Amino acid sequence: EPEVTQTPSHQVTQMGQEVILRCVPISNHLYFYWYRQILGQKVEFLVSFYNNEISEKSEIFDDQFSVERPDGSNFTLKIRSTKLEDSAMYFCASSRVRAGELFFGEGSRLTVL
Amino acid sequence: ELKVEQNPLFLSMQEGKNYTIYCNYSTTSDRLYWYRQDPGKSLESLFVLLSNGAVKQEGRLMASLDTKARLSTLHITAAVHDLSATYFCAVENPDTGNQFYFGTGTSLTVIP
Repeated sequence: EPEVTQTPSHQVTQMGQEVILRCVPISNHLYFYWYRQILGQKVEFLVSFYNNEISEKSEIFDDQFSVERPDGSNFTLKIRSTKLEDSAMYFCASSRVRAGELFFGEGSRLTVL
Repeated sequence: ELKVEQNPLFLSMQEGKNYTIYCNYSTTSDRLYWYRQDPGKSLESLFVLLSNGAVKQEGRLMASLDTKARLSTLHITAAVHDLSATYFCAVENPDTGNQFYFGTGTSLTVIP
């Protein structure tokens, strides 16, 4: 069964460092998303991406964040200068259609020290 | 801001018992999703409810949607230990459909 894959599964970084989280969405999906979940809290929307551009972003997704689809398969989330409060589990998701069921990856746990 | 609230937040129940988790939301969305999350794991899609009155069942779980009341329920029948997990409901942003708003989650523990 097709699945969303994410790397790395866990990354530890120092505050102020740049981090890139990678995702390979399901191949025939057109809509891509990043969500995050701070430990013990609910899942929060960061950004959605369609047709090579951001379609929507939340207040969390400030200038420190960026997304890119550098080739036909990868979808990346970059945090330019990490802060302690960026520590969370980051989930990539994809859907075949807009307003469709989301399929989530296993997540990338980011720990900022 | 769109709000999605679940209750209870924590639920401890004995095997074999029945219980219902409630999800209230503040938007006019007529689509609602239920996800399951095991500790440290990803979100697994359980149910997709696409219209008022929708009811779906899978094993010991049954989900329903009442868009007029802006309420969805997840009913657990004869709980077993394997159902222990956190359950989230989620609704779409009705304006864009590109953004899911997740509920606060219900942490379910089924005690043998």
